Amino acid sequence: EADIYQTPRYLVIGTGKKITLECSQTMGHDKMYWYQQDPGMELHLIHYSYGVNSTEKGDLSSESTVSRIRTEHFPLTLESARPSHTSQYLCASSSRGGFGANVLTFGAGSRLTVL
Amino acid sequence: GQSLEQPSEVTAVEGAIVQINCTYQTSGFYGLSWYQQHDGGAPTFLSYNALDGLEETGRFSSFLSRSDSYGYLLLQELQMKDSASYFCASHSGNTPLVFGKGTRLSVIA
Repeated sequence: EADIYQTPRYLVIGTGKKITLECSQTMGHDKMYWYQQDPGMELHLIHYSYGVNSTEKGDLSSESTVSRIRTEHFPLTLESARPSHTSQYLCASSSRGGFGANVLTFGAGSRLTVL
Repeated sequence: GQSLEQPSEVTAVEGAIVQINCTYQTSGFYGLSWYQQHDGGAPTFLSYNALDGLEETGRFSSFLSRSDSYGYLLLQELQMKDSASYFCASHSGNTPLVFGKGTRLSVIA
């Protein structure tokens, strides 16, 4: 059973469009993350949040933005999509403390293609 | 800074044992995790080691040596369904998990 949901699963859009990738989790996790991954390649952290109204940029420079208004929701927005944004975007979450803080639960991913 | 090194590809025979190594350079290190990812799927958690030694979970075991900055994932009785990418990841301080580049395991008959 997936407790972290990403929509859309697949999206094909034209250059210059604004898009928002949705991510929601029902586990009450404080920590949430966005990773970008090309097929068969490494995971690149692009944004993370450790709680409501707290967001940080990751290691990979990204033209996307995120918001964390509610604990369970962590959307990622691209203001103007470009072909270089074509990739898979994975959302993940973890709890703040205890053993769960060491375990990331990933959503199924959103595969974005920009033409 | 933080970096992890793991082999890019490993091939093994069905029923055999395979070991995937991971070396790390991580300031403030406190643990090493392993994740499995099948093609087209999302990474899933396999194991976490905070202390030196071997942790066993069914056919999978994970080992950590903090003094050597080294760990490995051991897969026994390999099955075709074990063909996937395996990522080691280091934990440090209150910073997000850092992943290695992944090892693609191919299990052949």
